Amino acid sequence: QVQLQQSGPGLVKPSQTLSLTCAISGDSVSSNSVAWNWIRQSPSRGLEWLGRTYYRSKWYNEYVVSVRGRITINPDTSRNQFSLQLNSVTPEDTAVYYCARGQWRSLDYWGQGTLVTVSS
Amino acid sequence: EIVLTQAPATLSLSPGERATLSCRASQSVGTYLAWFQQKPGRAPRLLIYYASSRATGIPARFSGSGSGTDFTLTISSLEPDDFAVYYCQQGSDWPSFTFGPGTKVDIK
Repeated sequence: QVQLQQSGPGLVKPSQTLSLTCAISGDSVSSNSVAWNWIRQSPSRGLEWLGRTYYRSKWYNEYVVSVRGRITINPDTSRNQFSLQLNSVTPEDTAVYYCARGQWRSLDYWGQGTLVTVSS
Repeated sequence: EIVLTQAPATLSLSPGERATLSCRASQSVGTYLAWFQQKPGRAPRLLIYYASSRATGIPARFSGSGSGTDFTLTISSLEPDDFAVYYCQQGSDWPSFTFGPGTKVDIK
């Protein structure tokens, strides 16, 4: 059974960097058949896919246009986890952030969610 | 970007009734369409992928249909546990995924 456990701070100051980690059990971040995603949800923007990392003989990353340039998703093979970094945050980045496994052009296992508030 | 619209915004039904939820895409997504259920304070749960394939552990009362731009999620007989918000999601516009705004199914 795949389980995803998220960790990271719930409060970030404006202009700083949001950092979250998603620890994987029951699968491998290096699997060559799935992808590892970050999604966020807010009342104003609904559910918004942010990006993914995946391994297919080499590592790939893909990001949504709206945050490209501010976002980095990195795998950590030694700890079997992956991370999200979002730079230069503003209050508009306040949301519940989820990690999820990607398969079948969808998202089949999700983390528990982390409410991140951007405020001074 | 492919935009998904869902109808109705709210569906008020009683346990045992049939629920029919609609999702429409701004351009064809083939069968790369998924459905999720979300309850307050919880992560979305995958119900249907590839338009009509049930995810692991999903009861047979949930079914999906459609292709191209028009899709339907049907709950054949509502159980008390089914009252929630339902989202559709497209996976055609690779690499981006987008979600619909949701349909809330509440108790009449």
